[in-house]
Amino acid sequence: KAGVTQTPRYLIKTRGQQVTLSCSPISGHRSVSWYQQTPGQGLQFLFEYFSETQRNKGNFPGRFSGRQFSNSRSEMNVSTLELGDSALYLCASSSGLAGGRPDTQYFGPGTRLTVL
Amino acid sequence: AQKVTQAQTEISVVEKEDVTLDCVYETRDTTYYLFWYKQPPSGELVFLIRRNSFDEQNEISGRYSWNFQKSTSSFNFTITASQVVDSAVYFCALSGTSGNTPLVFGKGTRLSVIA
Repeated sequence: KAGVTQTPRYLIKTRGQQVTLSCSPISGHRSVSWYQQTPGQGLQFLFEYFSETQRNKGNFPGRFSGRQFSNSRSEMNVSTLELGDSALYLCASSSGLAGGRPDTQYFGPGTRLTVL
Repeated sequence: AQKVTQAQTEISVVEKEDVTLDCVYETRDTTYYLFWYKQPPSGELVFLIRRNSFDEQNEISGRYSWNFQKSTSSFNFTITASQVVDSAVYFCALSGTSGNTPLVFGKGTRLSVIA
């Protein structure tokens, strides 16, 4: 079974631009979560999508948004980029069980975003 | 609020030594899940283990073993006879029980195994 894939792997943008990152989950997984990893803040949860609906959201400004398509693929968008948005953005997929027992999240290789 | 503390920022050992990575967590939930992930230089987080709060049995998988002690809110990870390929950043994480609960990660421990 193919793992989680993320594209692109590397991005360089300038302040004020916007960026879209893509994530394809493991086949059969319906939940996609996004995390931001920085040296200072570590790994922080951005949001989670299940069946095209955002089920949970972390504490990030509205410049960070996402969506999920009917095939479970997800995109994350960051508008008006700031220097502090430079980070490794990791996508994770899971079956997304609705209750009782969370399934394990499997991570992709990440997209490294550099904002100049 | 949930919190995970990995007090060891960096550990360096010589190959074949045993090493234990500490993880202490805080949660008000009575049921929760604990995880360990490995992040090699490539960046991808690799799942190692999941443990629920009702199962305090220690687990061994090859050279890896995990010690879960609910009384001290700890979930420590031991690598026996470490190898250079074990060099990575290791993260301990905590989650609740619903399907959409996010993972709360510790800051990670960078392990360097020297040949």
